[in-house]
Amino acid sequence: AQTVTQSQPEMSVQEAETVTLSCTYDTSESNYYLFWYKQPPSRQMILVIRQEAYKQQNATENRFSVNFQKAAKSFSLKISDSQLGDTAMYFCAFMFPASQNFVFGPGTRLSVLP
Amino acid sequence: NAGVMQNPRHLVRRRGQEARLRCSPMKGHSHVYWYRQLPEEGLKFMVYLQKENIIDESGMPKERFSAEFPKEGPSILRIQQVVRGDSAAYFCASSPAGTLGNYGYTFGSGTRLTVV
Repeated sequence: AQTVTQSQPEMSVQEAETVTLSCTYDTSESNYYLFWYKQPPSRQMILVIRQEAYKQQNATENRFSVNFQKAAKSFSLKISDSQLGDTAMYFCAFMFPASQNFVFGPGTRLSVLP
Repeated sequence: NAGVMQNPRHLVRRRGQEARLRCSPMKGHSHVYWYRQLPEEGLKFMVYLQKENIIDESGMPKERFSAEFPKEGPSILRIQQVVRGDSAAYFCASSPAGTLGNYGYTFGSGTRLTVV
């Protein structure tokens, strides 16, 4: 079965500090995509960062970066210089190219404190 | 471009009634996906449709749930004889034809269904 585990239901961080959200997944496939999505209280699903499994280089988007360890099936998200607007649920997910649908983890609720 | 439009945003139904959730994909998108998010959980895939075709319904409950994406008009997710366990947020997403991975994949803001 394809599963995604996020072991931290809730986390908090002080504004301007750095926080890392963990994610592990289980699949026997070798070709897939990995994602982090942000869901603020508005419920909108917002793409934070995307990683192709065949790429060894870790993806980076401004203050957001990932640590992708394919052998360990680990895909953590690091948020630097945390801002109040980063307060949201964060979901780790993967997708197989052929299926076109996401498998999401249960989410981590992140609170950025002033 | 208005993005993926879902309506209503909130829907309240009594047990045993029918719920109809609508999704208008982004302009130029011909693929639609429905997901369900139970309280305090991640989104779970339900069904993938193209115009007039169901491509993958592996996540749909076997009874009471159906989905369609007609040639004209929005995609509809229909839940018959709703029960309290159907209370959830239902998300629609759309993508253009021929996309790989999540390129162009856009989510709507969801419909929150409450069954009383």
